[in-house]
Amino acid sequence: GIQVEQSPPDLILQEGANSTLRCNFSDSVNNLQWFHQNPWGQLINLFYIPSGTKQNGRLSATTVATERYSLLYISSSQTTDSGVYFCAVTSQGGSEKLVFGKGTKLTVNP
Amino acid sequence: DTEVTQTPKHLVMGMTNKKSLKCEQHMGHRAMYWYKQKAKKPPELMFVYSYEKLSINESVPSRFSPECPNSSLLNLHLHALQPEDSALYLCASSQHPGQGVVETQYFGPGTRLLVL
Repeated sequence: GIQVEQSPPDLILQEGANSTLRCNFSDSVNNLQWFHQNPWGQLINLFYIPSGTKQNGRLSATTVATERYSLLYISSSQTTDSGVYFCAVTSQGGSEKLVFGKGTKLTVNP
Repeated sequence: DTEVTQTPKHLVMGMTNKKSLKCEQHMGHRAMYWYKQKAKKPPELMFVYSYEKLSINESVPSRFSPECPNSSLLNLHLHALQPEDSALYLCASSQHPGQGVVETQYFGPGTRLLVL
């Protein structure tokens, strides 16, 4: 099945810093989503981005489908950005199965 | 409204108990999902329902029994669980993917299950 690798596994920032999270995938995809899981377990949709670039406030994401990677940019980080960021994909021609990467744990210190 | 609701928020059960988890969405989505998430791990798919029919069962043990009574409701019936089944159980929904089309999945807040 499709493999999803996220890096870095852990990231510690000071408030106000910028960061880039990466997601590599091993096959063509027709769905790629970025999620933020807060400390209470809620998975919050950030982006649905199988290709192209999107921006939402301080967050933006880019997926280069031909090179099989996606990047999530967080600018001017805040303590509320802390949590685990997951990339999840479904492979093209496959089923509705959403396969998650292992996540990047982000800690933003005041 | 992109809300998926789940009840209960927390559940403690013994290995001989029977309990049910409930998930509800009113977005008109026709695909619904159950995921299991262990601590410090990513969510793992358990079941997918498409148009109220079970379309994917990821070889889940029979002590977990899903049910989709209508297009808005998804249940997970639990019976004779083991302590290793303790986890966060997440429900999600999406527009029906259709052939070759996969839409955004929206997740509920989850049920934290502890099996004693």
